[in-house]
Amino acid sequence: NAGVMQNPRHLVRRRGQEARLRCSPVKGHSHVYWYRQLPEEGLKFMVYLQKENIIDESGMPKERFSAEFPKEGPSILRIQQVVRGDSAAYFCASSPPSGLDQPQHFGDGTRLSIL
Amino acid sequence: TQLLEQSPQFLSIQEGENLTVYCNSSSVFSSLQWYRQEPGEGPVLLVTVVTGGEVKKLKRLTFQFGDARKDSSLHITAAQPGDTGLYLCAGLYNFNKFYFGSGTKLNVKP
Repeated sequence: NAGVMQNPRHLVRRRGQEARLRCSPVKGHSHVYWYRQLPEEGLKFMVYLQKENIIDESGMPKERFSAEFPKEGPSILRIQQVVRGDSAAYFCASSPPSGLDQPQHFGDGTRLSIL
Repeated sequence: TQLLEQSPQFLSIQEGENLTVYCNSSSVFSSLQWYRQEPGEGPVLLVTVVTGGEVKKLKRLTFQFGDARKDSSLHITAAQPGDTGLYLCAGLYNFNKFYFGSGTKLNVKP
C-alpha cells in the first residue's frame, strides 16, 4: 500500500546539466501535481497533470522546465540547463480521479542542489 | 504576492500553552486544507474544510473555516513537543488548483 514515491531523494547537478525528477503516484490516482519549496517557505504550485495530459502549467517557467505523466510509468519533471536558482525541494502529490477537492498525498520530495 | 497569508510566520512556545495559527485571503476558496510538514518529509494532510463556518476537531486541534470561505484558523490546545513542525494551509481556488500559504513554523519547547 505504497504512498507517493519520489526519486531520487537527493540530486546534485552542475550548472548546465539536466535534472530528471520522478514521481510514482498512489496506485489508482490519476491526478499529479508538482510543487517547489524553498527552505522555511510554503509550496509553490508548478504544474497539474492527468494521465497523458497537462491540465495547468501556469506555475512552471516556460523555458527549461517540462513535465509529463505518461500512460505507463511515473510522472517526470525535467529541468534542462539547470542554474543555481533551481536549487530547491520539489514535491509531487497525487489525488484520486473523483475530484480536485480530494486530499493530496505528498511524496517526501527530491532535494535538488546545483553546484 | 501570496494568495494565502499565514500568520504568525514563526511561533515558539512552552509545552502546555495554547496557540492559534491564521490563514487569510481576499479570495474565496472552494475548500481549504491544513497540512503539517516535518523536516525532510512531505506535507501530511490534517483536515479539509469545505463549508463556510465549518469547525472540525482532531484531538487537541480545532480547525475553523470562515463564513465567507476566505480565511481559516487552526487552534492547538495544550501544545506538546510532538506538535513541532511547519503548518501549511492550502486553498482550492476556482476548482482549478491549490494555493499554499507560506507556512507557520511552530516550535514547542519541553
